[in-house]
Amino acid sequence: DIVMTQSPDSLAVSLGERATINCKSSQSVLYSSNNKNYLAWYQQKPGQPPKLLIYWASTRESGVPDRFSGSGSGTDFTLTISSLQAEDVAIYYCQHYYGTLPFSFGQGTKLEIK
Amino acid sequence: QVQLQESGPGLVKPSQTLSLTCTVSGGSISSGSYYWSWIRQPAGKGLEWIGRIYTSGSTNYNPSLKSRVTISIDTSKNQFSLKLSSVTAADTAVYYCVRREVYSGRNIWGQGTMVTVSS
Repeated sequence: DIVMTQSPDSLAVSLGERATINCKSSQSVLYSSNNKNYLAWYQQKPGQPPKLLIYWASTRESGVPDRFSGSGSGTDFTLTISSLQAEDVAIYYCQHYYGTLPFSFGQGTKLEIK
Repeated sequence: QVQLQESGPGLVKPSQTLSLTCTVSGGSISSGSYYWSWIRQPAGKGLEWIGRIYTSGSTNYNPSLKSRVTISIDTSKNQFSLKLSSVTAADTAVYYCVRREVYSGRNIWGQGTMVTVSS
């Protein structure tokens, strides 16, 4: 199994400030055949299914505000919210989605307003 | 716009088989290159990938659940299904069906259905 570990478990950030969430995989999720990192980021609000924010580690899904960005390669990844808005309060998950089964998720990071 | 909707019993007795169906609307389950997946989430906890099926019928399962899981597809009904046998209270969760693009991984989720295992 590939173990996905997020840090921190919870985070409180002031409105308009930057929020940074990290995700580390126990094995590389970079595939040399196409130089893609098969790493996704999701946002989940209470009572809702997860919403895809980022795929291929850094490609923003259509309709996702550009304050959300993903970076990293291999085993270390970061989700950054450049200027926190009230509607960004949620739990954020990373997931690897190619190769080694199961396609596991990180444990989640709870983002709140300070 | 493609939408997914889970359906099935909300209460299952221990040792019985959990059966859920995901109905796809707004597009054909047979078209394009997609994986059709199941993911679950116990209340207040994280997400667990259960397994997936391709349109061809080929499947992949979470090794921790493999002995109890069957995912199937019915293209005539535009549905795919999950069966989980010998359930226990640990299988109580919200179950989501998901469509994922094979190449990019972009995905669409159903709203989820709560399944409780209890006598």
